[in-house]
Amino acid sequence: AQSVSQHNHHVILSEAASLELGCNYSYGGTVNLFWYVQYPGQHLQLLLKYFSGDPLVKGIKGFEAEFIKSKFSFNLRKPSVQWSDTAEYFCAVNPTGAGGFKTIFGAGTRLFVKA
Amino acid sequence: NAGVTQTPKFRILKIGQSMTLQCTQDMNHNYMYWYRQDPGMGLKLIYYSVGAGITDKGEVPNGYNVSRSTTEDFPLRLELAAPSQTSVYFCASSLEGGQPQHFGDGTRLSIL
Repeated sequence: AQSVSQHNHHVILSEAASLELGCNYSYGGTVNLFWYVQYPGQHLQLLLKYFSGDPLVKGIKGFEAEFIKSKFSFNLRKPSVQWSDTAEYFCAVNPTGAGGFKTIFGAGTRLFVKA
Repeated sequence: NAGVTQTPKFRILKIGQSMTLQCTQDMNHNYMYWYRQDPGMGLKLIYYSVGAGITDKGEVPNGYNVSRSTTEDFPLRLELAAPSQTSVYFCASSLEGGQPQHFGDGTRLSIL
């Protein structure tokens, strides 16, 4: 079965530290890839997405993600985090073959940024 | 622009009761989705719809039903509530299929 693995359930960083959240998926075909963010008390928001082309995609609020097809990975990065980045981050994969409407989410990574 | 609106925000049910979670969107999106979010488990797709009159099962459809009589509304029904259905439920919509973009605020449901 298709799955999405996020390596860390909890991450604690100090402000200005660099961030990298890991995401791996298990699906051999073509995929669309997403990162979502859920700030405390708010609903999920789309942070960035990859469909094709340049494997390095830039999203909102200084986030970027790199798609490495050979590693089935789509890691999220930010050079310098802020306290306001405290949130839960979800990686998601949409297999674009048959049943391509079924986007699969990872379990999430809770990020806490210390001021 | 209201986006995706879910009601109610909170609800407590007794085992065996039934209820409908409402979801409506005002963006004229064809694609709508229902997810449940359990602690440490991420979001699981319950049902989705590609347009009025067309629905299909997601990863965890057992115990739920949906309908899509209009583009705007996508209610989720629990017929016989069970403790395993205690969760936070999110409705979402999108212009393109398979990429839920706009989420509602969620419904926190407890079944005792």
